[in-house]
Amino acid sequence: DAKTTQPNSMESNEEEPVHLPCNHSTISGTDYIHWYRQLPSQGPEYVIHGLTSNVNNRMASLAIAEDRKSSTLILHRATLRDAAVYYCILRDVSGANNLFFGTGTRLTVIP
Amino acid sequence: DTGVSQDPRHKITKRGQNVTFRCDPISEHNRLYWYRQTLGQGPEFLTYFQNEAQLEKSRLLSDRFSAERPKGSFSTLEIQRTEQGDSAMYLCASSFRTGGTDTQYFGPGTRLTVL
Repeated sequence: DAKTTQPNSMESNEEEPVHLPCNHSTISGTDYIHWYRQLPSQGPEYVIHGLTSNVNNRMASLAIAEDRKSSTLILHRATLRDAAVYYCILRDVSGANNLFFGTGTRLTVIP
Repeated sequence: DTGVSQDPRHKITKRGQNVTFRCDPISEHNRLYWYRQTLGQGPEFLTYFQNEAQLEKSRLLSDRFSAERPKGSFSTLEIQRTEQGDSAMYLCASSFRTGGTDTQYFGPGTRLTVL
């Protein structure tokens, strides 16, 4: 799986939007962009995924750059429960079946 | 559907002992994955099953590690002759995949401490 680059940490105020960036300059045409998050003392949790178009679900939005070399996970209104490590993962559907997590971005939400 | 469950949640053992962990996936999920996570790092892939067949193993899975998924249902991960370096969180995930991409659902993990 291609590698991704994320900031080690970010902070956000509660009830404000959060934009978590991810660079994936070596992405291939068959790579899906997945986001997972891991709350303290829990297993990772699926957030969202996309291929080319922007995606929305009840948890977040995923904005994908036109050249697909970067993407941004958007939490529209951060809550204290959103404090977690967020992982941006590329998944080639024709290649590896496991998830390559990297070290992710630790999001701190300030009350 | 109660999600992926793992047992035990915590295990403390002495070096040299054998340990076994169990994972119960979401029913009807055909894929089951094992990961290991050490402090401050993201999870690392160990192995995965499609139904009862073990299709891939990471180089991290030494000869002391063995995993099974009899009848394509629950899975067990056994570590023989544990070492202090085996101390980690062991995570199980399951998914249903027929083609394209899939979503993995993780259990709460088993935290292993080797003294």
